[in-house]
Amino acid sequence: AQSVTQLGSHVSVSEGALVLLRCNYSSSVPPYLFWYVQYPNQGLQLLLKYTSAATLVKGINGFEAEFKKSETSFHLTKPSAHMSDAAEYFCAVRPLNAGGTSYGKLTFGQGTILTVHP
Amino acid sequence: DVKVTQSSRYLVKRTGEKVFLECVQDMDHENMFWYRQDPGLGLRLIYFSYDVKMKEKGDIPEGYSVSREKKERFSLILESASTNQTSMYLCASSTSGRRGEQFFGPGTRLTVL
Repeated sequence: AQSVTQLGSHVSVSEGALVLLRCNYSSSVPPYLFWYVQYPNQGLQLLLKYTSAATLVKGINGFEAEFKKSETSFHLTKPSAHMSDAAEYFCAVRPLNAGGTSYGKLTFGQGTILTVHP
Repeated sequence: DVKVTQSSRYLVKRTGEKVFLECVQDMDHENMFWYRQDPGLGLRLIYFSYDVKMKEKGDIPEGYSVSREKKERFSLILESASTNQTSMYLCASSTSGRRGEQFFGPGTRLTVL
């Protein structure tokens, strides 16, 4: 079964610094991968997704992620953190050859809380 | 824009009560999902539905049931609420296509006393 590991439950950066949130997946076949963001007391919002096209994926709010098959990673980055980026971030995986039985199920990582200091 | 709505943002119930959480989506999505979210555990799938009246257990179905009588509505039922079901509950929907992402509702924070 596919799984996702997010390294670091909490990440703290200064405003203007690089944001790097780590995600590794386990799958024998490269899956579809997603990053979601959750602001306090809200549901999850899609940041970006990898669906086997370009390995460098650009998302909303200046975030991007690079799919690296050799490292089974899909790390999320942003060159310059903003105070409004403070939130919890979730990486999720869906098997590529889901066929007719997965029904779009996702497996989520444990989440990484990003704190941005002034 | 896809919209997923949940009937309550906050809910307080007593142990042993029957609890209904309602979710409605307006984009004609085939798939709907119920998750619970707890600190440090991420999102865990309780149940999902891929069509009207069709449902399948997720990873943690014990103590829960679901109902999907109409395509746009997916209900989560706690037959006899217990304190360990205090959590944030998130509903999501998606198309049947493999590339489609899930769209989430705002969540219901349930407290069982």
